[in-house]
Amino acid sequence: DSGVTQTPKHLITATGQRVTLRCSPRSGDLSVYWYQQSLDQGLQFLIQYYNGEERAKGNILERFSAQQFPDLHSELNLSSLELGDSALYFCASSVGELNTEAFFGQGTRLTVV
Amino acid sequence: GQNIDQPTEMTATEGAIVQINCTYQTSGFNGLFWYQQHAGEAPTFLSYNVLDGLEEKGRFSSFLSRSKGYSYLLLKELQMKDSASYLCAVCMEYGNKLVFGAGTILRVKS
Repeated sequence: DSGVTQTPKHLITATGQRVTLRCSPRSGDLSVYWYQQSLDQGLQFLIQYYNGEERAKGNILERFSAQQFPDLHSELNLSSLELGDSALYFCASSVGELNTEAFFGQGTRLTVV
Repeated sequence: GQNIDQPTEMTATEGAIVQINCTYQTSGFNGLFWYQQHAGEAPTFLSYNVLDGLEEKGRFSSFLSRSKGYSYLLLKELQMKDSASYLCAVCMEYGNKLVFGAGTILRVKS
């Protein structure tokens, strides 16, 4: 158990819908990272937040957004869902701002039908 | 563009040593990571190299040559539980953007 908690574990939704994925980092970690893993794209970095502020941005679509709240938990919002958004979404956390050792949650498996 | 190459699959025997190579061409560099991922599970951090040389951690070692854009992960005394995908990832120079390779599936046979 890495100490990073993601909910829900599984999510099935229809195209065009909007979902919210939630992540609670390890106690004491200030950084939260979001990743998408699909069979054809591999593991892709989406976005990082540090202590409530956006720090780094990867290949995140405009239909996706994220935020980190004062209690340091984070949410990833996915809207206008398409079949191709079906993937495993991982959250990871680290103590500092630099990604020297991040711990991953168990992921949320999103299926868009 | 960013390019990270690793072999797709490798097979090794229990108790043996295996080396998984990773070459990269990226527009920036701020360290290289190795992660282990069992099927359907979260990636687990193995190592982080930012300077040239070998870092040893138990049965696992990781090597980096920045001038050659090359790293390898060395696994000794292989165990069946080491069967997994091994992901090489480069941290870009500005910020913490990690770019991952496609991963190497390692199969350990008895």
